[in-house]
Amino acid sequence: DIQMTQSPSSLSASVGDRVTITCRASQSISSYLNWYQQKPGKAPKLLIYAASSLQSGVPSRFSGSGSGTDFTLTISSLQPEDFATYYCQQSYRPMYTFGQGTKLEIK
Amino acid sequence: EVQLVESGGGLVQPGGSLRLSCAASGFTFSSYSMNWVRQAPGKGLEWVSYISSSSSTIYYADSVKGRFTISRDNAKNSLYLQMNSLRAEDTAVYYCARGGVLGDIDYWGQGTLVTVSS
Repeated sequence: DIQMTQSPSSLSASVGDRVTITCRASQSISSYLNWYQQKPGKAPKLLIYAASSLQSGVPSRFSGSGSGTDFTLTISSLQPEDFATYYCQQSYRPMYTFGQGTKLEIK
Repeated sequence: EVQLVESGGGLVQPGGSLRLSCAASGFTFSSYSMNWVRQAPGKGLEWVSYISSSSSTIYYADSVKGRFTISRDNAKNSLYLQMNSLRAEDTAVYYCARGGVLGDIDYWGQGTLVTVSS
């Protein structure tokens, strides 16, 4: 099974900050890496698919990069609505495992 | 507008069974793979199962293999999850979710809560 490890597990930042979240796969997954945002009590929302493709309707301040085993999600300038939990997910091979999540909190 | 509406959750005793349903609308259901993803209270996301558009390919997480069965009825635009031999650790919100072309999950339902407790 492919294990996904996110870092950090939690992060405090301020509005306007640039934030980077990292996701590492236990083996190469090419570019089959997706990022989701989840707010309390809500379903997750797809932000980035195939490592770097922005899902329709998602603000351009979100970007993704990486391939192989190491990936990053970057938010260029944090907005109040971005405080949430972020998950990576590999879709290279079933089981389509998620990372443990990164909770982004207001400093 | 894509809509996924889950139903069938509730309280069940350990060892019991439950069948979840997901009604899909706003897209050509028969053209898309589908998934079930769950989230235990206060925990992260756990992928549970995948079914291809024609039902020809099915996958399960090891944690549910042999106990859960995913199925779909393209004529009824519906996805199902039959859950047997339920355990306390199966307690979670279960999301119905549409599969994207590259294995991403591009639309999610609102979720249905399954509680396994005596």
